[in-house]
Amino acid sequence: NAGVTQTPKFQVLKTGQSMTLQCAQDMNHNSMYWYRQDPGMGLRLIYYSASEGTTDKGEVPNGYNVSRLNKREFSLRLESAAPSQTSVYFCASRRTTPPAYNEQFFGPGTRLTVL
Amino acid sequence: DQQVKQNSPSLSVQEGRISILNCDYTNSMFDYFLWYKKYPAEGPTFLISISSIKDKNEDGRFTVFLNKSAKHLSLHIVPSQPGDSAVYFCAASPLGAQKLVFGQGTRLTINP
Repeated sequence: NAGVTQTPKFQVLKTGQSMTLQCAQDMNHNSMYWYRQDPGMGLRLIYYSASEGTTDKGEVPNGYNVSRLNKREFSLRLESAAPSQTSVYFCASRRTTPPAYNEQFFGPGTRLTVL
Repeated sequence: DQQVKQNSPSLSVQEGRISILNCDYTNSMFDYFLWYKKYPAEGPTFLISISSIKDKNEDGRFTVFLNKSAKHLSLHIVPSQPGDSAVYFCAASPLGAQKLVFGQGTRLTINP
């Protein structure tokens, strides 16, 4: 039971390049999330997927797209990377059974640098 | 508009003493609150939660207190241990909502 896995762990891009961050969970959770963490800003929601086939914007969606490929996998794509997207990206999935109704489980993160 | 605020970016506590981390929220619809702990180069991990029907929840050395009238919650760690050194995030949501709103985090350092 690996929980939430993310690839890659590190990535350096040049401005304008594209890339896809991969996320998978093996806990049979319906909901999955993408966050970015920047110093002093906490965790900010980029996109989320309440169930397979649905996606919704979070707080900071501009410059990103997502795909909920199946129940297990939720990918985040940067079509044209910008230096402002330099951040640590976390994927999470959500438990909806008692006792922790809103507990989210996080992956280890992807550290992205855009030059 | 920051709906969940952790006003102390950092806190330093001596080993064995009590650590108190604070969190304030503005949205009166929030009724479920969580604390997460994050070590460097790892993802956040769930620590403890509380719903608005309670004002206290304990789990071993960790206790969360909720003051709904003040829109304030706090995490108490007693006694503090070196392994508690980490960044702590509080988060909030309406019960059953899809999204959590996170605070900025507080870096806790436990000194020997």
